[in-house]
Amino acid sequence: EDKVVQSPLSLVVHEGDTVTLNCSYEVTNFRSLLWYKQEKKAPTFLFMLTSSGIEKKSGRLSSILDKKELFSILNITATQTGDSAVYLCAVEAAGTYKYIFGTGTRLKVLA
Amino acid sequence: EAGVAQSPRYKIIEKRQSVAFWCNPISGHATLYWYQQILGQGPKLLIQFQNNGVVDDSQLPKDRFSAERLKGVDSTLKIQPAKLEDSAVYLCASSLGDWIITDTQYFGPGTRLTVL
Repeated sequence: EDKVVQSPLSLVVHEGDTVTLNCSYEVTNFRSLLWYKQEKKAPTFLFMLTSSGIEKKSGRLSSILDKKELFSILNITATQTGDSAVYLCAVEAAGTYKYIFGTGTRLKVLA
Repeated sequence: EAGVAQSPRYKIIEKRQSVAFWCNPISGHATLYWYQQILGQGPKLLIQFQNNGVVDDSQLPKDRFSAERLKGVDSTLKIQPAKLEDSAVYLCASSLGDWIITDTQYFGPGTRLTVL
């Protein structure tokens, strides 16, 4: 059965800290992995990863995929209170456009 | 570019009542998804359409949930009758559905359903 597992489930840090969120997956015919940020509304897209070893970067956020070990990490440096959210990882199976979501990592950044 | 539209944004009903949600995807997007997100959990796919055909409805509780996308554009999701455990946010998302390009799904604002 296809599955996506995220860790940790929740995390509390102080402003300025660096955090690493993990996403591991077991999906038949992997096509892509997506990271989303969800606050009190629908998820907003952060990154899509399809190739191993190529880092995607946007400001203080970066992500990388390891297709051999079947995981991805999302790094946030110099965290701010506005980074407080649930971070969702989703994996797409090729040929189906089916996305399997993890349960998310709830990040809280304290001032 | 207009995003995915959903309505209503909030709905409160009593158990055993019926409710319907509407979604209009981004223009030109062939694939449409309905997700159920219960508080504290990731979104769970209920049904996936490719144009007006159903690709996957394996997790749709078909005894009470139904969905349609008659003209391959907008879609409705219905619950009849509702149960307490249906309280959740119902998210609609769409993607190009291009078999060549890996594309991103875009989410609507969601409908928060409370069943009393």
